[in-house]
Amino acid sequence: GAVVSQHPSRVICKSGTSVKIECRSLDFQATTMFWYRQFPKQSLMLMATSNEGSKATYEQGVEKDKFLINHASLTLSTLTVTSAHPEDSSFYICSGQRTGIVATDTQYFGPGTRLTVL
Amino acid sequence: GESVGLHLPTLSVQEGDNSIINCAYSNSASDYFIWYKQESGKGPQFIIDIRSNMDKRQGQRVTVLLNKTVKHLSLQIAATQPGDSAVYFCAGPRSNDYKLSFGAGTTVTVRA
Repeated sequence: GAVVSQHPSRVICKSGTSVKIECRSLDFQATTMFWYRQFPKQSLMLMATSNEGSKATYEQGVEKDKFLINHASLTLSTLTVTSAHPEDSSFYICSGQRTGIVATDTQYFGPGTRLTVL
Repeated sequence: GESVGLHLPTLSVQEGDNSIINCAYSNSASDYFIWYKQESGKGPQFIIDIRSNMDKRQGQRVTVLLNKTVKHLSLQIAATQPGDSAVYFCAGPRSNDYKLSFGAGTTVTVRA
């Protein structure tokens, strides 16, 4: 199967600091990676779509200057939460999609990163 | 926008019984649906998918049924085990860009 890893698995930071989360596809090349946010007892909400070598596409209401996404290679995408505040505390999950050509290509999800902002 | 939703937020089932989790969708043009399982503190795990040209698809201990007439799909888990305790999400493509939209999730608790 296709494996996606995330690092770190959990992070606690002070308000105002920036946090970087890495998403790696370990055994496949992910042309497209997705970043989701999940608040307690809620569903996954898509934040942005990351395409290798191009700018990320953000969902309505997601600030692109606050959530910086870089997809520099076919196996790595990073999400940086800048000037984090307590309301940014959430479970951040990424997924990788092989080709991105066919939208129904299976997304393989990472294990998630628990961010707590004090 | 959201195109899928779930009927019940929680389901309690006796170990060994069958579980049925329901999901409704709004976009009649949706042609692909996926069921995911999410255990506490983990990312979603693919269970099974179904395309609109099918009414039923079976996997290992799981069956997905699709009723396009009433825009409803269900996930059936046979002989539910304690390890099946998790949140189950249905997901389908958004109408405008085909990216996945997730339902609200059903928390399944298996009683010993």
